[in-house]
Amino acid sequence: NAGVTQTPKFRILKIGQSMTLQCAQDMNHNYMYWYRQDPGMGLKLIYYSVGAGITDKGEVPNGYNVSRSTTEDFPLRLELAAPSQTSVYFCASSAAWDRGRSPLHFGNGTRLTVT
Amino acid sequence: DQQVKQNSPSLSVQEGRISILNCDYTNSMFDYFLWYKKYPAEGPTFLISISSIKDKNEDGRFTVFLNKSAKHLSLHIVPSQPGDSAVYFCAASAGLNKFYFGSGTKLNVKP
Repeated sequence: NAGVTQTPKFRILKIGQSMTLQCAQDMNHNYMYWYRQDPGMGLKLIYYSVGAGITDKGEVPNGYNVSRSTTEDFPLRLELAAPSQTSVYFCASSAAWDRGRSPLHFGNGTRLTVT
Repeated sequence: DQQVKQNSPSLSVQEGRISILNCDYTNSMFDYFLWYKKYPAEGPTFLISISSIKDKNEDGRFTVFLNKSAKHLSLHIVPSQPGDSAVYFCAASAGLNKFYFGSGTKLNVKP
């Protein structure tokens, strides 16, 4: 019963490096999301997708890119890492837009440090 | 500008007593509210939700109350148990698949 799987769990990047945070779900959910959580702050929406081939910006999209080529996978790309991107990143999915029956299911997060 | 606010970063409660976690919001278009629970090194897990057409929703030891006029919701846990010790986030949505989260309240239930 995997649910939402995120890799890696931890990563240290140097300023200017690039990386891709992986996210996969096995629940056949249409909707997928990327959030970041900074210390003492709530989760901020970076990007989301309502289905394969469709993505849209959230509250804090600058410095990130996403793609959704399959229902299962929703990778998040950091092109030029900056210290401001040090955070814990959570991927989430939900079954439908009917919020009453489809809350977000979260992965366990990726802790990223940029130095 | 934070649309969902949890003004208490932490709360300590004795086992068996009631825990009350509070959340305020500013956007009157929000029509669906949720509470999530988060343990260290794990992702948040869904706890309970409430639609704006209701003022109360109950699930076992957990009850969420919504006061739309005050733009305030609260989560009551009765009785509190040590396993309830976690960070609790409230979240709200006005549709469009976007959920806005508060900054969280760390609950410590003392045995």
